[in-house]
Amino acid sequence: AQSVAQPEDQVNVAEGNPLTVKCTYSVSGNPYLFWYVQYPNRGLQFLLKYITGDNLVKGSYGFEAEFNKSQTSFHLKKPSALVSDSALYFCAVRVVSSGSARQLTFGSGTQLTVLP
Amino acid sequence: DTEVTQTPKHLVMGMTNKKSLKCEQHMGHRAMYWYKQKAKKPPELMFVYSYEKLSINESVPSRFSPECPNSSLLNLHLHALQPEDSALYLCASAPTAWNTEAFFGQGTRLTVV
Repeated sequence: AQSVAQPEDQVNVAEGNPLTVKCTYSVSGNPYLFWYVQYPNRGLQFLLKYITGDNLVKGSYGFEAEFNKSQTSFHLKKPSALVSDSALYFCAVRVVSSGSARQLTFGSGTQLTVLP
Repeated sequence: DTEVTQTPKHLVMGMTNKKSLKCEQHMGHRAMYWYKQKAKKPPELMFVYSYEKLSINESVPSRFSPECPNSSLLNLHLHALQPEDSALYLCASAPTAWNTEAFFGQGTRLTVV
Protein backbone atom coordinates (compact mmCIF):
# COMPACT_ATOMS: atom_id res chain seq x y z
CA ALA A 1 0.00 0.00 0.00
CA GLN A 2 1.19 3.51 -0.73
CA SER A 3 1.64 5.52 2.43
CA VAL A 4 3.77 7.73 4.62
CA ALA A 5 4.95 6.95 8.14
CA GLN A 6 5.95 9.27 10.96
CA PRO A 7 7.93 7.18 13.43
CA GLU A 8 7.82 9.67 16.32
CA ASP A 9 4.59 10.60 18.08
CA GLN A 10 6.33 13.34 20.05
CA VAL A 11 9.43 15.47 19.50
CA ASN A 12 10.74 17.87 22.12
CA VAL A 13 13.40 20.46 21.35
CA ALA A 14 14.79 23.50 23.14
CA GLU A 15 14.12 26.93 21.66
CA GLY A 16 16.96 28.01 19.39
CA ASN A 17 18.04 24.45 18.65
CA PRO A 18 17.58 22.80 15.26
CA LEU A 19 14.53 20.59 14.87
CA THR A 20 13.81 17.55 12.72
CA VAL A 21 10.46 15.82 12.25
CA LYS A 22 10.81 12.51 10.44
CA CYS A 23 8.76 11.06 7.58
CA THR A 24 9.32 8.01 5.40
CA TYR A 25 7.29 7.07 2.36
CA SER A 26 6.29 3.97 0.47
CA VAL A 27 4.94 4.68 -3.00
CA SER A 28 5.28 3.22 -6.45
CA GLY A 29 6.35 5.67 -9.10
CA ASN A 30 7.18 9.30 -8.41
CA PRO A 31 6.17 10.47 -4.94
CA TYR A 32 4.30 13.73 -4.41
CA LEU A 33 5.08 14.65 -0.80
CA PHE A 34 3.79 17.41 1.48
CA TRP A 35 4.14 18.77 5.01
CA TYR A 36 1.29 20.39 6.92
CA VAL A 37 1.06 21.95 10.38
CA GLN A 38 -2.01 22.06 12.62
CA TYR A 39 -2.47 24.33 15.63
CA PRO A 40 -5.09 23.37 18.27
CA ASN A 41 -8.69 23.52 17.00
CA ARG A 42 -7.57 24.80 13.61
CA GLY A 43 -7.36 23.47 10.08
CA LEU A 44 -4.19 22.28 8.42
CA GLN A 45 -1.74 24.81 7.03
CA PHE A 46 0.41 23.87 4.04
CA LEU A 47 4.17 24.23 4.69
CA LEU A 48 5.96 22.81 1.66
CA LYS A 49 5.94 20.18 -1.07
CA TYR A 50 8.19 17.98 -3.16
CA ILE A 51 6.99 17.21 -6.66
CA THR A 52 10.21 17.09 -8.64
CA GLY A 53 13.50 18.96 -8.87
CA ASP A 54 15.85 19.96 -6.04
CA ASN A 55 15.98 17.56 -3.13
CA LEU A 56 16.06 20.43 -0.62
CA VAL A 57 12.69 22.15 -0.53
CA LYS A 58 12.16 25.46 1.26
CA GLY A 59 8.76 26.37 2.66
CA SER A 60 6.87 28.70 4.93
CA TYR A 61 8.01 30.02 8.35
CA GLY A 62 11.66 29.01 7.81
CA PHE A 63 10.93 25.30 7.40
CA GLU A 64 12.65 23.11 4.84
CA ALA A 65 12.58 19.45 3.95
CA GLU A 66 15.06 17.10 2.34
CA PHE A 67 13.88 14.49 -0.13
CA ASN A 68 16.09 11.39 0.00
CA LYS A 69 15.19 8.80 -2.61
CA SER A 70 17.62 6.12 -1.42
CA GLN A 71 16.30 6.29 2.14
CA THR A 72 12.69 6.98 1.03
CA SER A 73 12.55 9.86 3.48
CA PHE A 74 11.23 13.42 3.52
CA HIS A 75 12.25 14.87 6.89
CA LEU A 76 11.10 18.34 7.94
CA LYS A 77 13.78 20.63 9.37
CA LYS A 78 14.27 24.08 10.81
CA PRO A 79 17.66 25.53 11.84
CA SER A 80 16.39 27.33 14.95
CA ALA A 81 13.14 26.34 16.66
CA LEU A 82 10.67 28.85 18.13
CA VAL A 83 8.18 28.24 20.94
CA SER A 84 5.48 29.22 18.43
CA ASP A 85 6.47 26.22 16.26
CA SER A 86 4.86 23.94 18.85
CA ALA A 87 2.06 22.18 16.97
CA LEU A 88 0.99 18.91 15.33
CA TYR A 89 2.85 18.16 12.10
CA PHE A 90 1.61 15.86 9.34
CA CYS A 91 3.49 14.41 6.42
CA ALA A 92 1.27 13.56 3.42
CA VAL A 93 1.49 11.89 0.03
CA ARG A 94 -0.68 11.83 -3.04
CA VAL A 95 -1.63 8.23 -3.81
CA VAL A 96 -3.48 6.91 -6.84
CA SER A 97 -7.09 6.14 -5.96
CA SER A 98 -8.94 6.41 -9.23
CA GLY A 99 -8.31 7.32 -12.82
CA SER A 100 -9.21 10.92 -12.15
CA ALA A 101 -7.83 11.59 -8.69
CA ARG A 102 -4.97 10.95 -6.32
CA GLN A 103 -6.10 11.19 -2.74
CA LEU A 104 -4.03 13.01 -0.14
CA THR A 105 -3.10 10.51 2.57
CA PHE A 106 -1.60 11.61 5.87
CA GLY A 107 0.89 10.12 8.27
CA SER A 108 -0.07 9.61 11.91
CA GLY A 109 1.26 12.99 12.97
CA THR A 110 4.08 14.21 15.23
CA GLN A 111 3.47 16.55 18.15
CA LEU A 112 6.33 19.04 18.29
CA THR A 113 6.95 20.84 21.56
CA VAL A 114 9.54 23.60 21.67
CA LEU A 115 10.65 24.31 25.23
CA PRO A 116 11.58 27.87 26.25
CA ASP B 1 -8.46 35.30 -2.01
CA THR B 2 -6.54 32.25 -0.79
CA GLU B 3 -9.02 31.01 1.77
CA VAL B 4 -11.29 28.05 2.17
CA THR B 5 -14.24 29.15 4.31
CA GLN B 6 -16.29 26.69 6.35
CA THR B 7 -19.54 27.36 8.16
CA PRO B 8 -20.56 26.92 10.87
CA LYS B 9 -17.45 26.80 13.06
CA HIS B 10 -19.29 24.79 15.72
CA LEU B 11 -22.40 22.62 15.48
CA VAL B 12 -24.27 20.63 18.11
CA MET B 13 -26.99 18.36 16.79
CA GLY B 14 -29.24 15.62 18.06
CA MET B 15 -29.28 12.16 16.54
CA THR B 16 -32.59 12.85 14.80
CA ASN B 17 -31.63 16.23 13.35
CA LYS B 18 -30.77 17.16 9.78
CA LYS B 19 -28.05 19.73 9.30
CA SER B 20 -25.58 20.80 6.62
CA LEU B 21 -21.96 21.87 6.63
CA LYS B 22 -20.89 24.40 4.02
CA CYS B 23 -17.55 25.07 2.34
CA GLU B 24 -16.63 27.80 -0.12
CA GLN B 25 -13.50 28.71 -2.08
CA HIS B 26 -12.86 31.38 -4.71
CA MET B 27 -9.42 30.29 -5.88
CA GLY B 28 -10.70 28.65 -9.06
CA HIS B 29 -9.80 25.22 -7.69
CA ARG B 30 -11.46 22.26 -9.42
CA ALA B 31 -10.97 19.66 -6.67
CA MET B 32 -12.73 19.78 -3.31
CA TYR B 33 -12.54 17.39 -0.37
CA TRP B 34 -14.24 16.45 2.87
CA TYR B 35 -12.12 15.00 5.67
CA LYS B 36 -13.06 13.82 9.17
CA GLN B 37 -10.55 14.27 11.98
CA LYS B 38 -10.62 12.93 15.53
CA ALA B 39 -8.50 14.55 18.23
CA LYS B 40 -4.74 14.08 17.79
CA LYS B 41 -5.33 11.84 14.75
CA PRO B 42 -4.67 12.42 11.04
CA PRO B 43 -7.51 13.57 8.81
CA GLU B 44 -9.41 10.72 7.16
CA LEU B 45 -10.64 11.24 3.64
CA MET B 46 -14.40 11.03 3.12
CA PHE B 47 -15.14 12.40 -0.35
CA VAL B 48 -13.35 13.95 -3.32
CA TYR B 49 -15.03 16.03 -6.00
CA SER B 50 -13.16 16.71 -9.22
CA TYR B 51 -14.74 19.15 -11.68
CA GLU B 52 -17.97 19.01 -9.66
CA LYS B 53 -18.21 15.23 -10.03
CA LEU B 54 -17.80 12.79 -7.15
CA SER B 55 -14.48 11.01 -7.77
CA ILE B 56 -13.85 9.24 -4.51
CA ASN B 57 -16.23 8.01 -1.79
CA GLU B 58 -14.26 6.26 0.94
CA SER B 59 -17.12 3.94 1.90
CA VAL B 60 -18.73 6.64 3.99
CA PRO B 61 -22.08 5.78 5.63
CA SER B 62 -25.13 7.14 3.84
CA ARG B 63 -25.99 9.38 6.79
CA PHE B 64 -23.32 11.65 5.27
CA SER B 65 -24.37 13.02 1.88
CA PRO B 66 -22.06 15.32 -0.10
CA GLU B 67 -23.18 17.85 -2.67
CA CYS B 68 -21.20 20.09 -5.03
CA PRO B 69 -23.64 22.68 -6.46
CA ASN B 70 -20.90 24.49 -8.38
CA SER B 71 -17.13 24.74 -8.60
CA SER B 72 -16.91 27.08 -5.59
CA LEU B 73 -19.24 25.35 -3.15
CA LEU B 74 -19.24 22.04 -1.33
CA ASN B 75 -21.86 20.89 1.15
CA LEU B 76 -22.05 17.95 3.51
CA HIS B 77 -25.59 17.01 4.51
CA LEU B 78 -25.95 15.22 7.83
CA HIS B 79 -28.87 13.07 8.95
CA ALA B 80 -29.38 10.59 11.77
CA LEU B 81 -25.81 10.84 13.01
CA GLN B 82 -24.37 8.87 15.90
CA PRO B 83 -22.34 10.21 18.85
CA GLU B 84 -19.20 8.60 17.37
CA ASP B 85 -19.57 10.91 14.38
CA SER B 86 -18.53 13.81 16.61
CA ALA B 87 -15.29 15.17 15.14
CA LEU B 88 -13.67 18.08 13.32
CA TYR B 89 -14.86 18.11 9.71
CA LEU B 90 -12.38 19.68 7.34
CA CYS B 91 -12.98 20.93 3.83
CA ALA B 92 -10.10 21.38 1.42
CA SER B 93 -9.59 22.47 -2.16
CA ALA B 94 -6.82 22.05 -4.72
CA PRO B 95 -6.19 23.26 -8.28
CA THR B 96 -6.60 19.67 -9.42
CA ALA B 97 -7.13 16.31 -7.76
CA TRP B 98 -3.85 15.01 -9.12
CA ASN B 99 -0.51 16.19 -7.74
CA THR B 100 -0.89 19.58 -6.13
CA GLU B 101 -1.16 20.62 -2.52
CA ALA B 102 -4.58 21.07 -0.94
CA PHE B 103 -5.66 24.10 1.09
CA PHE B 104 -7.76 23.50 4.17
CA GLY B 105 -10.51 25.43 5.87
CA GLN B 106 -10.59 25.93 9.65
CA GLY B 107 -13.08 23.13 10.07
CA THR B 108 -16.46 22.61 11.69
CA ARG B 109 -16.40 21.13 15.18
CA LEU B 110 -19.40 18.78 15.22
CA THR B 111 -20.86 17.34 18.41
CA VAL B 112 -23.67 14.78 18.17
CA VAL B 113 -25.72 14.41 21.34
